[in-house]
Amino acid sequence: GAGVSQSPRYKVAKRGQDVALRCDPISGHVSLFWYQQALGQGPEFLTYFQNEAQLDKSGLPSDRFFAERPEGSVSTLKIQRTQQEDSAVYLCASSERTGAETQYFGPGTRLLVL
Amino acid sequence: QKEVEQDPGPLSVPEGAIVSLNCTYSNSAFQYFMWYRQYSRKGPELLMYTYSSGNKEDGRFTAQVDKSSKYISLFIRDSQPSDSATYLCAMSARDSSYKLIFGSGTRLLVRP
Repeated sequence: GAGVSQSPRYKVAKRGQDVALRCDPISGHVSLFWYQQALGQGPEFLTYFQNEAQLDKSGLPSDRFFAERPEGSVSTLKIQRTQQEDSAVYLCASSERTGAETQYFGPGTRLLVL
Repeated sequence: QKEVEQDPGPLSVPEGAIVSLNCTYSNSAFQYFMWYRQYSRKGPELLMYTYSSGNKEDGRFTAQVDKSSKYISLFIRDSQPSDSATYLCAMSARDSSYKLIFGSGTRLLVRP
């Protein structure tokens, strides 16, 4: 079946602009994760949903970052008043259950803030 | 100090060589250990998963976990140019919402 999809694949924003990044997880997957990957680094955890409940948002770097998954499927990561340091690849992953062993990643959204 | 340390490379080997990649970690609560492969401008792809200590083999890939030394390894036999990618180790603890903690990745280049 279809894997995790993300849109847009690339986003260029002017500093101060708000952006919204979308993640479509694998159908039926309970768990959804957002990660941020800086150039040359491994992904870093941002937030975790189990169905529609956001159970862990400890990785969100500031209150400018907000994520939601209102119906327990599609998720949106919103960044308000973007800053240059927000430039990174934002990865979404989903997992069939609440375990860690099978997180499937999407292709990512590459965000560049000018 | 990062929770997970991984040599960034790059590691360059000739085709057919055995490749050894490894990570060290500091958090003794980690129980789930994974290796992901990431091609340029793509998302990470799960290669191997191991729970707790031990070895796991899948085709040309072998993953090893030594919890006593806090050290994990990935071996690639008969390496191919198509194996050229960045390899990321990742680990997780049961009581941490299963979020993955990644190493910084090792770039591997397999020369034809």
